Amino acid sequence: DVKVTQSSRYLVKRTGEKVFLECVQDMDHENMFWYRQDPGLGLRLIYFSYDVKMKEKGDIPEGYSVSREKKERFSLILESASTNQTSMYLCASSAPRKAVGEDEQFFGPGTRLTVL
Amino acid sequence: AQKITQTQPGMFVQEKEAVTLDCTYDTSDPSYGLFWYKQPSSGEMIFLIYQGSYDQQNATEGRYSLNFQKARKSANLVISASQLGDSAMYFCAMREALYGGSQGNLIFGKGTKLSVKP
Repeated sequence: DVKVTQSSRYLVKRTGEKVFLECVQDMDHENMFWYRQDPGLGLRLIYFSYDVKMKEKGDIPEGYSVSREKKERFSLILESASTNQTSMYLCASSAPRKAVGEDEQFFGPGTRLTVL
Repeated sequence: AQKITQTQPGMFVQEKEAVTLDCTYDTSDPSYGLFWYKQPSSGEMIFLIYQGSYDQQNATEGRYSLNFQKARKSANLVISASQLGDSAMYFCAMREALYGGSQGNLIFGKGTKLSVKP
């Protein structure tokens, strides 16, 4: 079974702190994603990566950066956390397939981040 | 304009009855895929079912089926014989072939909260 793990289920940080959210997948997937989920807004893509050291901005990259030094690990970084970054953060991975849509994304359990 | 629209923020269904969760989408890409995910209160997103734009038949996976009406751009999820464990948030998502690239970017709807009553 594909397994995507995230370093913390719950995290509380203070405004201005630098925050690292870690995601690890064990299925050798090329693609990895970071989403944030807010009530009434669904999931919104922050960043994604389709290869080691490669990254692409998603729909809401402002205030975030990412790092992919190894294939299995994709980190989301909040350089200076703010209260409006309080949210649920979900990591996902997928392997590209020949036919569109067959590359289902596998999600981690999520990290609920609270910034005070 | 929203690419994925789920018009039902919340729904109730009686245990053992069938329920339909609505999803409409907007794309000009001729090749795309539609997904449904379930998110229980634990937070993890669970893949349920997939429908490709060129698939001739509606997708089915156990108690889940996808009512795909391409001309209407709708991809409704049907859950038959609802169980208490089906209570969760349900998200419809789309990936476009041309504009989404090969990286598998999904566009999600805002979700529908399903509550199954005993």
